[in-house]
Amino acid sequence: GAGVSQSPRYKVAKRGQDVALRCDPISGHVSLFWYQQALGQGPEFLTYFQNEAQLDKSGLPSDRFFAERPEGSVSTLKIQRTQQEDSAVYLCASSFSQGWNIQYFGAGTRLSVL
Amino acid sequence: GQQVMQIPQYQHVQEGEDFTTYCNSSTTLSNIQWYKQRPGGHPVFLIQLVKSGEVKKQKRLTFQFGEAKKNSSLHITATQTTDVGTYFCAGQSNQFYFGTGTSLTVIP
Repeated sequence: GAGVSQSPRYKVAKRGQDVALRCDPISGHVSLFWYQQALGQGPEFLTYFQNEAQLDKSGLPSDRFFAERPEGSVSTLKIQRTQQEDSAVYLCASSFSQGWNIQYFGAGTRLSVL
Repeated sequence: GQQVMQIPQYQHVQEGEDFTTYCNSSTTLSNIQWYKQRPGGHPVFLIQLVKSGEVKKQKRLTFQFGEAKKNSSLHITATQTTDVGTYFCAGQSNQFYFGTGTSLTVIP
């Protein structure tokens, strides 16, 4: 596709449920980033992949959060035992080269935990 | 928490007035990027600054990176209603930090 694609666009989960959020980056992009954006705030870094390697996961808020990119393209962000404070928009971005260069963002997944 | 602060948090201007947002980091940045996020949308890349004291222009937008590489500014001349949105700076030190954002409202 022409841009970064995220699915689902909206997800409602009951507290305690597991969720999986998908990101399909721009073809050929080496770097992939996940961010969490709370209402009225700037995106907060969660994790960074260079190809299939997860080089930085320092932003993941707890061990309930897990991300993978097994073949260096599509990535999944998994949140186990969701809590109300996990409610946010989860943004995925990809970049052509390694490191913190121009990032192209997807439309995000809005997660609401009830 | 976020280490890159922006001021002001909100700005309302009459169409045609100028607008400036300031970005300040607690640490020296290797580069800084600016993004625009329309209401309900996602961040869209505007520009990247790398060199100390660098100034770049895009039509009515002027971006500046401070000499110490700890601050940056975005200035919009003669705002238009299409400029509405939240402007974020994002800087790289040991990690990549988005600023707190400045929400711009343009009153026609």
